[in-house]
Amino acid sequence: GENVEQHPSTLSVQEGDSAVIKCTYSDSASNYFPWYKQELGKGPQLIIDIRSNVGEKKDQRIAVTLNKTAKHFSLHITETQPEDSAVYFCAPLWGQNFVFGPGTRLSVLP
Amino acid sequence: DVKVTQSSRYLVKRTGEKVFLECVQDMDHENMFWYRQDPGLGLRLIYFSYDVKMKEKGDIPEGYSVSREKKERFSLILESASTNQTSMYLCASSFHISTGELFFGEGSRLTVL
Repeated sequence: GENVEQHPSTLSVQEGDSAVIKCTYSDSASNYFPWYKQELGKGPQLIIDIRSNVGEKKDQRIAVTLNKTAKHFSLHITETQPEDSAVYFCAPLWGQNFVFGPGTRLSVLP
Repeated sequence: DVKVTQSSRYLVKRTGEKVFLECVQDMDHENMFWYRQDPGLGLRLIYFSYDVKMKEKGDIPEGYSVSREKKERFSLILESASTNQTSMYLCASSFHISTGELFFGEGSRLTVL
């Protein structure tokens, strides 16, 4: 089956700095790549996604880049703010279901 | 505003008890899902349903069953709870079975003693 890894598992940054989280997957057939954010006490929420015919997508302070050849995609957050502190999951589509990575805990320090 | 509601935020049960976790969505979504979340393992799919009375096994269905009698409601059942089922359970719904956004409830934390 699909094997999904995320790096790093934890990340601490100073407020205003950038954060990058990388997701690697094993099945080259995946063609849809979302990122979810889970705040404390809440369910995950989709923040950005990308499809395999696109290399990069931006939405204000967040962006996702995709390298299908190398089988990885990354979440980029610029000008981090305290409210960005959360656990982030990548969840590439495999078949008709999503395979979630183990998560990355991001802490934004004031 | 879209909403997925899970009936219980916290439950404590004893080994061998039957446990029902209820989930209701108000978005008229066809598809509903039950995930289990454990630290370091991400979310793992237990069961999903793409229509009323339809169900499909996910990656870890053993020890669980589901029921979908109405479009808006999807129940997860633990016939005989065991300690290794202590976990956070997340319900989700989506409009499209694949490529569509998953909308999650806030989770039900189950402790089995």
